[in-house]
This record gives sequence, structure tokens and C-alpha cells, in this order.
Amino acid sequence: DAMVIQNPRYQVTQFGKPVTLSCSQTLNHNVMYWYQQKSSQAPKLLFHYYDKDFNNEADTPDNFQSRRPNTSFCFLDIRSPGLGDAAMYLCATSRGGQGTDTQYFGPGTRLTVL
Amino acid sequence: AQKVTQAQTEISVVEKEDVTLDCVYETRDTTYYLFWYKQPPSGELVFLIRRNSFDEQNEISGRYSWNFQKSTSSFNFTITASQVVDSAVYFCALSSGGATNKLIFGTGTLLAVQP
Repeated sequence: DAMVIQNPRYQVTQFGKPVTLSCSQTLNHNVMYWYQQKSSQAPKLLFHYYDKDFNNEADTPDNFQSRRPNTSFCFLDIRSPGLGDAAMYLCATSRGGQGTDTQYFGPGTRLTVL
Repeated sequence: AQKVTQAQTEISVVEKEDVTLDCVYETRDTTYYLFWYKQPPSGELVFLIRRNSFDEQNEISGRYSWNFQKSTSSFNFTITASQVVDSAVYFCALSSGGATNKLIFGTGTLLAVQP
């Protein structure tokens, strides 16, 4: 089945230690998104890629970076995680193009910062 | 500015009861899209439905139904004969479309279905 995969599902890191979260998709979608979701809150868009074009949200901290080496994969790098970065990180994809398309989400990676 | 309001923070019902989750949106766009997502305790956001602004036809899918009313800027979601497996957080979202289809989420409604 075509799907969005996130690895790992649970990640524990230490304060200040860089961490990378992974997302892959078999939908061949043009657009890939990264969201941060803290407890009891709605998902918050960090950035997205349309093909290779990177689009950062204005309020996304510089501590968060992303890479998309090819259509299938997208990575979220947190350069120096703080306690406030503990959250669920959700990856989503959509086809992109005219009109709109549904965003399909992966299962998420729950990040704990010690 | 675009905004989605889900006034119900938490709802608790007993199994087999019907329940309606409210969603009110604000937008100045003439073309827009509305979504409902379900987020069970596992965390994954599961797509339920998309509705285009030019299509006010209501939709029914099994026990789920959606009532879209442009006159009141509402897109409400009803679960008939609720089940324990319906327990989740439900998010309503709005998009103006475009190439990147940015979603504006409501704050979500936590639905607890008691056996």
C-alpha cells in the first residue's frame, strides 16, 4: 500500500544533542511537510518542500532544518534540541498542483528531550 | 485572515449515542477547502473527508456524516451510534488550495466514547 512512513516512532535525545527524524513516502507526491504538535495542541507547520523548493514558515526557529535529497525522502534536523522541542513530529505529503489536494500524514515520531 | 474554531474542547458520550462535532471557519477566499482529520491515541492523523467550497452537498459515509453550510460558515461532523473506537481527537482544517495547500487547523475536539 502507498503510504507515508516515519522513523523512528519514538526518539529520545539529550539536551543539545543533534537529532534527525526521517520521513519517506511511496505516494510519489510532490509536496512534503513537517509539523510539530505539542500536547493538546493542533499541528503547527514548520516548513514544506514543493519538489526541491524549500518553504520555511516565518516563525520556525533556526534550530530546525530540513533536507529532501529525493522525491521519496525528507529529513528533519534539530541542531540543538531544547526541552521545549519535545513533541510529536508529523510528516505529511500531498500531490500539489492546481486546486488542492489532501495531505496524508505519517504515524509521527514522538521526541523526548532529556 | 483565515481561522478555524472548534468550540467544543472535550465531549463525552456513551456508546451508541449520536454526537456532533462543530466547526466554524473564517475566510475571505471564494474558493476554499475544508477537511476533517481523526487523531487516535496512537498519534497518526487520519484523513476523513474533504469538501470544496462550491459543493455544499452533505455527505454520508457509514456512521459518519458531514453538514456543510456556507451561510453559517460551518462544517459540522456527526457520528451516529458512536463506538469506543471513535474515541480520538478530531481536527477540522481549512485550506485555500494553491500549489502547497497550507492547512489551517482548529484546536481539535477530544471525543471520549464510554462503553
